[in-house]
Parts: sequence; structure tokens; C-alpha cells
Amino acid sequence: SAVISQKPSRDICQRGTSLTIQCQVDSQVTMMFWYRQQPGQSLTLIATANQGSEATYESGFVIDKFPISRPNLTFSTLTVSNMSPEDSSIYLCSAVTVGYGYTFGSGTRLTVV
Amino acid sequence: AQSVTQPDIHITVSEGASLELRCNYSYGATPYLFWYVQSPGQGLQLLLKYFSGDTLVQGIKGFEAEFKRSQSSFNLRKPSVHWSDAAEYFCAVGAILGGSQGNLIFGKGTKLSVKP
Repeated sequence: SAVISQKPSRDICQRGTSLTIQCQVDSQVTMMFWYRQQPGQSLTLIATANQGSEATYESGFVIDKFPISRPNLTFSTLTVSNMSPEDSSIYLCSAVTVGYGYTFGSGTRLTVV
Repeated sequence: AQSVTQPDIHITVSEGASLELRCNYSYGATPYLFWYVQSPGQGLQLLLKYFSGDTLVQGIKGFEAEFKRSQSSFNLRKPSVHWSDAAEYFCAVGAILGGSQGNLIFGKGTKLSVKP
């Protein structure tokens, strides 16, 4: 199955700033996903990132706050914009490989102060 | 709508005792089912998955799960728990979007504590 390198692994950011998280996959994948895991909570899907088209966002998440890029079949970025302490979470990217299931990045632990 | 329910928020078992974590799903077709484990401060690790075939699935670390379509369940079991199994366990179902695998839908998780 695919291997995903996600960075940064953690960051502490000032409120009002933005952070871009990168995920690099070692093989071409059709669909990539971005999840948020708030402290003590489960994973919630933010959006689906498809190559060559705009990301599809879940209810409660908007492009202005979480812009996503997917320039090719091996790379995607998620930006957390105009951050507030409520954005402190773990952000994970994931890719699906047909027949193999899902691979996750190691996560980005974001703290907003 | 697709959903996953893990009825137990927190379970405590003694080391060496058996374990069963419950998972129920709501899905219109044959689901792709997964169990993941997350240790504190760590990422997600896949324990096992069910796509089709034998309904009893063997995973890593001595875990197994049984798919029961009639009960819409995919419970995780381990015959003898080790202290290192203490972690958060997530059940998930894989959505199908346009005929292809889509995103995972996660349950809220079950926190497992192991007492000596």
C-alpha cells in the first residue's frame, strides 16, 4: 500500500496566522482526504481532494478557512487559515488504494496560541 | 446516512483477560470495515480490515474481528490483553463514492485501559 509523508509533524502558531500542511504519497492515488481530530475526539472528514478539480468539502468546513490544493496524483496541501485556538487539533491526510484500503499520514499536531 | 457506532466510550480490562470492542454500522451495501488503534500522541495504525470473503478476519497483534451482516456489527476481539494494548480504538466504514472507494467514516472511538 501507499506510504504518506506528512509535514510538519507539529507546530505552535499564533492566532490569525495560517499554516500549510503537506502530504506526499509515494505512488499515484486517485483520492486523498483530509481529516481533523479535535482533542479527545474521533476523526472528522474535512474534504476530499481530487486531482484536477476543486476539493469537495463536508458540512461545516469551507474553502476560505481550509483551502486545499491537489496539483498532481501524489501531493496535496491543506491550509488552516486565520487560525484561532479552536483550530488546535490533529490534522491527518489519507489516501485510498483500491484493494489495499487506506493509508494515513502521521498527522500534524497543531496548537494555536 | 452511513454511520458507525461504538457504544462503549471507555473499557477497562485486566491484563490477560479477554476483550471485545463493539462496533455497529449503518450502510446500504456491503461495507468495507476497518479497525484502527491510536496510542497517545501517535498516528493511526490499521489492525485489520474486511472487504469480502471470510467473515472472521485476523489482524495484527493478535486481534480478530467478525463481520455479522445480520447484526450490522464488526466487533473486535482479543483473547488475552497485554498492557501495551491500552489505547484508543476506532472502527470505521469505507464509503463508496461513484462506484469507487471514498472516505472513511469513523466511530467515536473506545478507550481501552488495562489494569495489572
